[in-house]
Amino acid sequence: DIQMTQSPSSLSASVGDRVTVSCRASQAIRNDLAWYQQKPGKAPKRLIYAASNLQSGVPSRFSGSGSGTEFTLTISSLQPEDFATYYCLQHNSYPLTFGGGTKVEIK
Amino acid sequence: EVQLVESGGGLAQPGGSLRLSCAASGFTFSDHYMDWVRQAPGKGLEWVGRIRKKTNSYTTEYAASVKGRFIVSRDDSKNSLYLQMNSLKTEDTAVYYCARVRESENYSFDYWGQGTLVTVSS
Repeated sequence: DIQMTQSPSSLSASVGDRVTVSCRASQAIRNDLAWYQQKPGKAPKRLIYAASNLQSGVPSRFSGSGSGTEFTLTISSLQPEDFATYYCLQHNSYPLTFGGGTKVEIK
Repeated sequence: EVQLVESGGGLAQPGGSLRLSCAASGFTFSDHYMDWVRQAPGKGLEWVGRIRKKTNSYTTEYAASVKGRFIVSRDDSKNSLYLQMNSLKTEDTAVYYCARVRESENYSFDYWGQGTLVTVSS
């Protein structure tokens, strides 16, 4: 199975900060990676697909990069509605696997 | 508007069975692979299984943790996805989500339902 190591597991940031979340795959997955945002009690929402493609309707302050084994989600200027938990997902091979999540909290 | 609505969750005993449903609307259900994903209380996301579409013979894939106990099926005439859960264990307690798969995006999932809670306890 491909292990997805996501870091950090949590972070505290202020409105307006630039935030970076990383995911490392235990083996190369091309660009078969998506990022999801989840708020408490809600279903996850896709932000990024194919590592760097912005989901329609998602604000442009979100961006994704990477290929192979190293991937990054960046929020260029954190907004109040961005406080949530973020997950990466590899869909290159079965079983599909998620990162452990990054909880973004208010500083 | 794409909508996925899960139902069928509830309390089940260890060793028991439960069948979840996912009603789809707002898109051509038969054109899509569909997945189940779960989330134990306070924990992260875990992929459960996938069913392909008719042109791929409705074949399935499962996580090791549920293989041999859970069955994913679909009824395209009813725009519905199912998860038959047998031999339930306490560790199967979770919110179960159905999700639509996008072939054009190399099989990642875009839309999710709101989830249904399954509690396995005696």
